Amino acid sequence: DAMVIQNPRYQVTQFGKPVTLSCSQTLNHNVMYWYQQKSSQAPKLLFHYYDKDFNNEADTPDNFQSRRPNTSFCFLDIRSPGLGDAAMYLCATSRGTGNLDEQYFGPGTRLTVT
Amino acid sequence: AQKVTQAQTEISVVEKEDVTLDCVYETRDTTYYLFWYKQPPSGELVFLIRRNSFDEQNEISGRYSWNFQKSTSSFNFTITASQVVDSAVYFCALSEIGTALIFGKGTTLSVSS
Repeated sequence: DAMVIQNPRYQVTQFGKPVTLSCSQTLNHNVMYWYQQKSSQAPKLLFHYYDKDFNNEADTPDNFQSRRPNTSFCFLDIRSPGLGDAAMYLCATSRGTGNLDEQYFGPGTRLTVT
Repeated sequence: AQKVTQAQTEISVVEKEDVTLDCVYETRDTTYYLFWYKQPPSGELVFLIRRNSFDEQNEISGRYSWNFQKSTSSFNFTITASQVVDSAVYFCALSEIGTALIFGKGTTLSVSS
């Protein structure tokens, strides 16, 4: 049974056209994360929510925003995608933010910017 | 400064060979956690193991084993009798207290039949 679901798996958007990626979880975890993974690179944390508390990484561009309307769902909004934003976007969840809290990852959404 | 180094970018082996994936980390904290994740072609990151800095005991899980050595700041991962299904990108990651996961750049393992 899928625990962290990401839709769509593949998304194509135009340069500058806003796009939203979605993530849902069936684990009832408190924390949801968004990572960006560019080709042949390691995943890089963009931000995370602990319940409704939003935590932005210092170097995450303002172009990236997130919403978490409830425990199960979290959205990644890219306001004006550039060619450099083409990447795999991974959503993850965990019970808490402690180091013993294993992160469960979704299958990712591969974003193409044309 | 890069905190997790996976010096092997790509490794190719033939089925049934043993293969070791290297991971060297850097931290000033005395308490930290090390992880290995597998990323198959389908894309999701699959958790394999977590180790805390106070537990240097090596671990074996089926064909997988991990060698943690604080003296050399290494946390190497060995797959015994590799199989085609082991083909994936493997990431080593470090988590210091209160920080996010810091991933290495990954090692792509290709196992051919």
